[in-house]
Amino acid sequence: DGGITQSPKYLFRKEGQNVTLSCEQNLNHDAMYWYRQDPGQGLRLIYYSQIVNDFQKGDIAEGYSVSREKKESFPLTVTSAQKNPTAFYLCASTGQGSNQPQHFGDGTRLSIL
Amino acid sequence: KQEVTQIPAALSVPEGENLVLNCSFTDSAIYNLQWFRQDPGKGLTSLLLIQSSQREQTSGRLNASLDKSSGRSTLYIAASQPGDSATYLCAVIGIKAAGNKLTFGGGTRVLVKP
Repeated sequence: DGGITQSPKYLFRKEGQNVTLSCEQNLNHDAMYWYRQDPGQGLRLIYYSQIVNDFQKGDIAEGYSVSREKKESFPLTVTSAQKNPTAFYLCASTGQGSNQPQHFGDGTRLSIL
Repeated sequence: KQEVTQIPAALSVPEGENLVLNCSFTDSAIYNLQWFRQDPGKGLTSLLLIQSSQREQTSGRLNASLDKSSGRSTLYIAASQPGDSATYLCAVIGIKAAGNKLTFGGGTRVLVKP
């Protein structure tokens, strides 16, 4: 089945620790996105990548980093510089063109220990 | 800066009643508007995408309209069922938005009572 796989489903971070969230897609999509969702709020864009080896900051990139070494994979690292990391993180991808729907994974819930 | 608003934040209806969900956006220069469904603790499922040149899109019991000039979209769900209980989010891709990024509303949480 084609789709987006995020892992792990739940993640806990200790003080001062970096953690990495995985996102893999087999839809052959060029563009991938990371969003953050806080309770009762819409999604906010953290980073996006339109092509391999290239990525751009979104609206709330501080304290996060990404890489795009393969078309299928777009991991997100939440660094210790992110002081309020507790949230639901969603990865999405889309095909070429501005009228393609975005497809989402099932998310990773990150909490602080 | 594009802003997307969904009112009300929550809605409760008896089973069988039609649902009407509203979405408004401040900048009418958009490529498209998308409606999503989100179940608790899950990702988003795309329901309908309306291109800026279209007035509406339909899929089964779902119908979404778009009035770009007034910055509004409405999602209609006919003959609601308890399985329609979820949060519904709308999002737009603005022509000025880099990377085809979506700007989301805060969502409307829907409860359909049996």
